[in-house]
Amino acid sequence: AQRVTQPEKLLSVFKGAPVELKCNYSYSGSPELFWYVQYSRQRLQLLLRHISRESIKGFTADLNKGETSFHLKKPFAQEEDSAMYYCALGGNYGGSQGNLIFGKGTKLSVKP
Amino acid sequence: DAMVIQNPRYQVTQFGKPVTLSCSQTLNHNVMYWYQQKSSQAPKLLFHYYDKDFNNEADTPDNFQSRRPNTSFCFLDIRSPGLGDAAMYLCATSRGAGGYHYEQYFGPGTRLTVT
Repeated sequence: AQRVTQPEKLLSVFKGAPVELKCNYSYSGSPELFWYVQYSRQRLQLLLRHISRESIKGFTADLNKGETSFHLKKPFAQEEDSAMYYCALGGNYGGSQGNLIFGKGTKLSVKP
Repeated sequence: DAMVIQNPRYQVTQFGKPVTLSCSQTLNHNVMYWYQQKSSQAPKLLFHYYDKDFNNEADTPDNFQSRRPNTSFCFLDIRSPGLGDAAMYLCATSRGAGGYHYEQYFGPGTRLTVT
């Protein structure tokens, strides 16, 4: 079954420290992985997608098919990075393309 | 700004009393989605419309229905809300073509309380 697991509900780091938000997935096909972010009092929005291999706001994520992981990393956390982060898996489910399966999310708190 | 709008932001209804949540978009996207998100849980897809084609998730209760009268609007109808239907309901859109299915634009959500 398709599944996204984010093992940490809460991750707390100090400003300037490296941060890694973990995401593991289960999918039998060729996955497309995404990170969505929700800042306080804002709507859920796309942060980055693995296919783009880009860095957004200093965050990167590499798809590791061997470990079925898509961890989100940033070398130096900033206070404005504090938010809820959701890992999401895209694929064909029940013949319906375009559906996302979200993990439960990790709340990142960056302390000054 | 092009965006996804949800009304109302907060909705209180009584047990068993039908309720409708509204979503509109100015992005002219083909696909509109409805998600249910309960506290500390992942957003869960209920159904989506690709243009006029309705796609229901297998485990979405029959109590939940949707209508899309035109490109811009989509409604979520809960025929007989139960206490377990209290949640945040998120509307999202996507272009739906050329690999853009998964780049979804979300509304702010409607928080539904059932008394």
